[in-house]
Amino acid sequence: DAKTTQPPSMDCAEGRAANLPCNHSTISGNEYVYWYRQIHSQGPQYIIHGLKNNETNEMASLIITEDRKSSTLILPHATLRDTAVYYCIVGAKAGNMLTFGGGTRLMVKP
Amino acid sequence: EPEVTQTPSHQVTQMGQEVILRCVPISNHLYFYWYRQILGQKVEFLVSFYNNEISEKSEIFDDQFSVERPDGSNFTLKIRSTKLEDSAMYFCASSLTSQETQYFGPGTRLLVL
Repeated sequence: DAKTTQPPSMDCAEGRAANLPCNHSTISGNEYVYWYRQIHSQGPQYIIHGLKNNETNEMASLIITEDRKSSTLILPHATLRDTAVYYCIVGAKAGNMLTFGGGTRLMVKP
Repeated sequence: EPEVTQTPSHQVTQMGQEVILRCVPISNHLYFYWYRQILGQKVEFLVSFYNNEISEKSEIFDDQFSVERPDGSNFTLKIRSTKLEDSAMYFCASSLTSQETQYFGPGTRLLVL
């Protein structure tokens, strides 16, 4: 699976959009981009995934660049409960092992 | 909304003892996984399981570990002779098919003394 690079930490003001970047320059054509988050020591929580097109659900939006070498997770109106470690994971299919990196620790501040 | 559940939430054991961690995957899911996270470190894959067989395992999943689906609902991880370094959060996950998203349980915190 392709390797991902994320900033170790980011801050965001409550109510503002949080934009979390991820680089995956070695991604191959059949690999999806998955985003999970982990609040404190809870189990990782699925957020969203995509292959080529931008995706949106009730939690977030995922913007994937045309060359697929990077993506951005957008939380449109961050709340204090969105404070968590966010993981960008690239993989061929969900049934394979998920390889978690260090993620981005997002701190949402009042 | 269906969710993965795990028991116990916390387990303390003595080194050398056997432990069994239990998981109830989402009811119609067919693929099951165990991951672990040592305190302050990354989440690491241990094993995936489908159709009563291990489909993939990591180097961590050595002979001390085993998995089982003893009935139609439970999925267990057994550590035969625990070591201090087995202290970690253990997360179970399940997915409907190999192509679908994995959903994680809340974890079991294992402390080996």
